[in-house]
Amino acid sequence: DIQMTQSPSFLSASVGDRVTINCKASQNINKYLNWYQQKLGEAPKRLIYNTNNLQTGIPSRFSGSGSGTDYTLTISSLQPEDFATYFCLQHNSFPGTFGGGTKLELK
Amino acid sequence: QVQLKESGPVLVQASETLSLTCTVSGFSLTNYGVIWVRQPPGKGLEWMGIIWRNGNTDYNSALKSRLSINRDTSKSQVFLKMNSLQTDDTAIYYCTRDRTDYWGQGVMVTVSS
Repeated sequence: DIQMTQSPSFLSASVGDRVTINCKASQNINKYLNWYQQKLGEAPKRLIYNTNNLQTGIPSRFSGSGSGTDYTLTISSLQPEDFATYFCLQHNSFPGTFGGGTKLELK
Repeated sequence: QVQLKESGPVLVQASETLSLTCTVSGFSLTNYGVIWVRQPPGKGLEWMGIIWRNGNTDYNSALKSRLSINRDTSKSQVFLKMNSLQTDDTAIYYCTRDRTDYWGQGVMVTVSS
């Protein structure tokens, strides 16, 4: 199985900050990388699919980039509702594998 | 609109079999597959298995010996069965459409010893 290493595990930031979250795959995943936001007690919500495609209804402050084994989620200007946990998922190879998560907290 | 909803017992005894149902609406199971994903309390997500739109299944090798996924397309339902439960199978179990664009609310299953 492809291993997904997500960093950082915890991130403390302020409203208005620009933040980046990274996922590194153990092998090339050909840009088949999605990003999700999960709030306490809720199901994951897909933000970005296939590296850089914004899910309908998701604000444009969220963006994704990357290729090969290295991928990044960027939030350009944090809003209060963005404080949550974020996961990546590779779906290039079966089974899909998730990163360990990044908990984004208010500084 | 597209919806998925998991249902099943919230408490299961160790060594027994877990049976969950995912009832979908707003799309056909012959056009989309359904994936089961689980999340132990306070931990990350694990892809368990998928039933493809053609009815074929694939399972995470870590669970393959204990897991089966089936469906009833006439009822728009997908079924998960996992046997030989242990306490570390305690988790929230989610079903999601194969593109992972729509998710159910999840069902918290506790395995009691």
